[in-house]
Amino acid sequence: EAGVAQSPRYKIIEKRQSVAFWCNPISGHATLYWYQQILGQGPKLLIQFQNNGVVDDSQLPKDRFSAERLKGVDSTLKIQPAKLEDSAVYLCASSWDYSGNTIYFGEGSWLTVV
Amino acid sequence: QKEVEQNSGPLSVPEGAIASLNCTYSDRGSQSFFWYRQYSGKSPELIMFIYSNGDKEDGRFTAQLNKASQYVSLLIRDSQPSDSATYLCAVRTSYDKVIFGPGTSLSVIP
Repeated sequence: EAGVAQSPRYKIIEKRQSVAFWCNPISGHATLYWYQQILGQGPKLLIQFQNNGVVDDSQLPKDRFSAERLKGVDSTLKIQPAKLEDSAVYLCASSWDYSGNTIYFGEGSWLTVV
Repeated sequence: QKEVEQNSGPLSVPEGAIASLNCTYSDRGSQSFFWYRQYSGKSPELIMFIYSNGDKEDGRFTAQLNKASQYVSLLIRDSQPSDSATYLCAVRTSYDKVIFGPGTSLSVIP
């Protein structure tokens, strides 16, 4: 079974530039999560989708971050404009249903904003 | 109050000892509890999950849940150097959000 795929793995951008991360969850997984993990901290939930709908996006800085999940499968997370404090690993994860049982993580997209 | 809290660490134990990792959560209606292990530079991987009060054992790992005290723990018996990692506690809240704690860094000394 293929795992959660993410790209790009690494990205370096200047502040005020934009960046987009892509995620393809495990086939059949209804729920998709984007987490931000700053070095030395636990993952912080940015947005949680179930199929096409948003379950929670209370921690998503909506003035600069946006996310969408088209057709309930792939998802894209965009940051525009980026700030220095956005430097982090962006982890995409998926699970079978909204209950969050056995969340599987992708390898992450490492962002450095300079 | 943070939603999920863990021992600040780092925690150091000698090889062969029992490592005890603790986690508390604020949402009394939380349903499921997870322990993830994260090696440096890698993604979190699931070790165990627990739903019911009491203990759940899987090999060298035992998860303990006490919903009345809003407390969940992970015991690692016969700790090995390969267990050295950050351990993340995650909680599925009553709102179906999955929230992670800050993690506890464990170092097993040979």
